[in-house]
Amino acid sequence: QKEVEQNSGPLSVPEGAIASLNCTYSDRGSQSFFWYRQYSGKSPELIMFIYSNGDKEDGRFTAQLNKASQYVSLLIRDSQPSDSATYLCAPKRGQTGANNLFFGTGTRLTVIP
Amino acid sequence: GAGVSQTPSNKVTEKGKYVELRCDPISGHTALYWYRQSLGQGPEFLIYFQGTGAADDSGLPNDRFFAVRPEGSVSTLKIQRTERGDSAVYLCASSQGYGDYNEQFFGPGTRLTVL
Repeated sequence: QKEVEQNSGPLSVPEGAIASLNCTYSDRGSQSFFWYRQYSGKSPELIMFIYSNGDKEDGRFTAQLNKASQYVSLLIRDSQPSDSATYLCAPKRGQTGANNLFFGTGTRLTVIP
Repeated sequence: GAGVSQTPSNKVTEKGKYVELRCDPISGHTALYWYRQSLGQGPEFLIYFQGTGAADDSGLPNDRFFAVRPEGSVSTLKIQRTERGDSAVYLCASSQGYGDYNEQFFGPGTRLTVL
């Protein structure tokens, strides 16, 4: 089992629709979870983070976390062509003394105008 | 303010050569991380510094890789006897502190190509 599993996509949604990106992780000790957006040829850009179970909203983005199910998701409302990118789920390692993120392979999102 | 900067942006070298990659973190950030990203993969952790010391180097693939941060700011990742498999984008990130609730911000990366 991979440490972080994401559907690699591509996920295609029409402009204005909701894009739903899912992630499961194996480290039960992880307490914080980050979503990064990565445009082709660029470095990851932090867009959301969530620490508590439930939903967290920031503009068009909503992150959802369920630690019991080891599941985290990202919803993008009113998707725009500029949202087309790869989205990386990154839990922070839960091991004492560890401080690194461990990443999935990402989900490639395409928003069709 | 300025973000994380990395130099060079691109480095092409020959197999067996030595390379140094530099990272300048966001001013005031005490934690610094190195990751590397291969095509089609997510970033993979290499090493992390708290101040001047390497707090966790468990991600370094072998002893050809070494990193320093002598004054607690700029860091250099050093790769000896480069191999073709070392070709990747090397990403540096920094965070204000360490622990679960500190966001990591990435630099633009150095694309290393070993011929």
